[in-house]
Amino acid sequence: KNEVEQSPQNLTAQEGEFITINCSYSVGISALHWLQQHPGGGIVSLFMLSSGKKKHGRLIATINIQEKHSSLHITASHPRDSAVYICAVRFRLTGNQFYFGTGTSLTVIP
Amino acid sequence: NAGVTQTPKFRILKIGQSMTLQCAQDMNHNYMYWYRQDPGMGLKLIYYSVGAGITDKGEVPNGYNVSRSTTEDFPLRLELAAPSQTSVYFCASSSATGTVNYGYTFGSGTRLTVV
Repeated sequence: KNEVEQSPQNLTAQEGEFITINCSYSVGISALHWLQQHPGGGIVSLFMLSSGKKKHGRLIATINIQEKHSSLHITASHPRDSAVYICAVRFRLTGNQFYFGTGTSLTVIP
Repeated sequence: NAGVTQTPKFRILKIGQSMTLQCAQDMNHNYMYWYRQDPGMGLKLIYYSVGAGITDKGEVPNGYNVSRSTTEDFPLRLELAAPSQTSVYFCASSSATGTVNYGYTFGSGTRLTVV
């Protein structure tokens, strides 16, 4: 069964804290996508990766193919990082389609 | 600004009415997608297109139709609207799916209510 699970569902952090959001999936994938959905609803693509690690500014995404797990880290968190972070995976056997998790709602308090 | 433009932003439909959600991109992306987002649920793929003249069903295509006559435009048609189609609809585009390096560009969404 093609499943994507994110944890935690909700996360509150103090400004400056290091944040980790997790994504697990059930079967082999060809790509994993991290996205950010702003409070106003807009969605931005953050990373797409299939192995290793990618970094952009204060955001770091890692993936462990053997453990079927990915993490999104935010260093030196800021209130403007408050958003819903969404993980999506493209399973190897389902072609072009991405399957989306339900998201992690992050609130960073000043 | 370059990107994906969706119209309208909001719409209320009565049961049985029809409408078309418009989506246009100016980045010359081959791939375009329509998703719906229901409260507490992940985005679900309705239809996608890998280029002009080519469309394919996603996970939840029933009740919808699409066409792709040009690279730029990918309209989503709702025929005989039902309350179950109340949702937020997002259009997205990407330049390729064959490589992991290309992220998606999303439109700002259309909030549709069927009453």
